[in-house]
Amino acid sequence: EVTLVESGGGLVQPGGSLRLSCVASGFSFNDFEMNWVRQAPGKGLEWISYISHSGSTIFYAASVRGRFTVSRDNTENSLHLQMDGLRVEDTALYYCTRGGWRQPHFDYWGQGAPVTVSS
Amino acid sequence: QSLLAQPPSASGTPGQRVTISCSGSSSNIGSNYVYWYHQLPGTAPKLLIFSTYQRASGVPDRFSGSKSGTSASLAISGLRSEDEAEYYCATWDDSVSGPVFGGGTKLTVL
Repeated sequence: EVTLVESGGGLVQPGGSLRLSCVASGFSFNDFEMNWVRQAPGKGLEWISYISHSGSTIFYAASVRGRFTVSRDNTENSLHLQMDGLRVEDTALYYCTRGGWRQPHFDYWGQGAPVTVSS
Repeated sequence: QSLLAQPPSASGTPGQRVTISCSGSSSNIGSNYVYWYHQLPGTAPKLLIFSTYQRASGVPDRFSGSKSGTSASLAISGLRSEDEAEYYCATWDDSVSGPVFGGGTKLTVL
């Protein structure tokens, strides 16, 4: 069974940092591209980042580019999202998803990691 | 403001057929596949339809996707109470060079 489990969410002040992690199981992690998608409270879905199998190709949405950094460790089947310079508008549930580039084909999702940015 | 426009709400009675629309442009729906997700309250989204017409694994054939020009639709026939959820369309957008989602449609089964 494919599972994605996020961790690392929490409450942080504006300008602060947080690091999210996602541990994958049930599939060959290094064979799959991964993404982060977020959902602000009561709002819709927003794609924010993509990383290729090897981690050599990375893309970000304009809203987070320059502040967020995605990485992966294929030896530990884990995906990470380092979030710096957090803003109030980054408050959301952050989902780790399995899926490729050029198409929003996200076939598995984690349960989400809540991030609240507030003073 | 999402690049993909969905009606905020839709409703139907059990057994009825309902459709949810997703309106875009030539830079997204007009030139790319469309995907549909549904999300039950308090849970993660789940893939329903991929590549515009294909049902994801385990999705009943009551669900179908279609596209015409720069608009797409999700049709649900034989509506059931468990279909009550939020539905999102998604596609690639050539102008922003990234995946985009619609704002979501809350489906109520009366």
